[in-house]
Amino acid sequence: EAGVAQSPRYKIIEKRQSVAFWCNPISGHATLYWYQQILGQGPKLLIQFQNNGVVDDSQLPKDRFSAERLKGVDSTLKIQPAKLEDSAVYLCASSLKQTGTVNTEAFFGQGTRLTVV
Amino acid sequence: GENVEQHPSTLSVQEGDSAVIKCTYSDSASNYFPWYKQELGKRPQLIIDIRSNVGEKKDQRIAVTLNKTAKHFSLHITETQPEDSAVYFCAASRKGDTGRRALTFGSGTRLQVQP
Repeated sequence: EAGVAQSPRYKIIEKRQSVAFWCNPISGHATLYWYQQILGQGPKLLIQFQNNGVVDDSQLPKDRFSAERLKGVDSTLKIQPAKLEDSAVYLCASSLKQTGTVNTEAFFGQGTRLTVV
Repeated sequence: GENVEQHPSTLSVQEGDSAVIKCTYSDSASNYFPWYKQELGKRPQLIIDIRSNVGEKKDQRIAVTLNKTAKHFSLHITETQPEDSAVYFCAASRKGDTGRRALTFGSGTRLQVQP
């Protein structure tokens, strides 16, 4: 089966500019996540969607970050305006609908490496 | 929220030796603990997971143990090979109000297997 697709793979922008990342999850996966992975650290959750609804955005810096998943499939993550500390790899992951007692594997995309200069 | 701590941050072993990576978690409600392997420039990939209703799980050269009382879990790799060299992340999650919560990751362990 096709994996999680992300684009672009790399992006370099100047601080205060805006940027958008795109994610296409595995077909049939209802749950979608955006993670931020700063160099040398573990992935940190930004936002979790189930279908087109937000489950958890408590760690999303809402003054500059936004995300949407309008039709419950593809998702976009936007940063406006970018800061130097936003330099990181942005990983999208998806999984089958997460029920209360059954976990299904989260599959990750290749990520988008963002450099803010 | 959940906090996952992982040790060591780097680990170097000789080929054929064993490697052990340890993690602790803070949320007693966490009940799912996967381990991911991330090679340089690649995506994280699940290598093994364990649920809180078991204490140990094995898959060939890889095993994971869980101590719920102490809130720690460990990854054991036996007979290490150069291709095991990568960054390993532990993670934890629990059931939420609307379904399972997302994974909280540790900070990672860079494992280097010397030939």
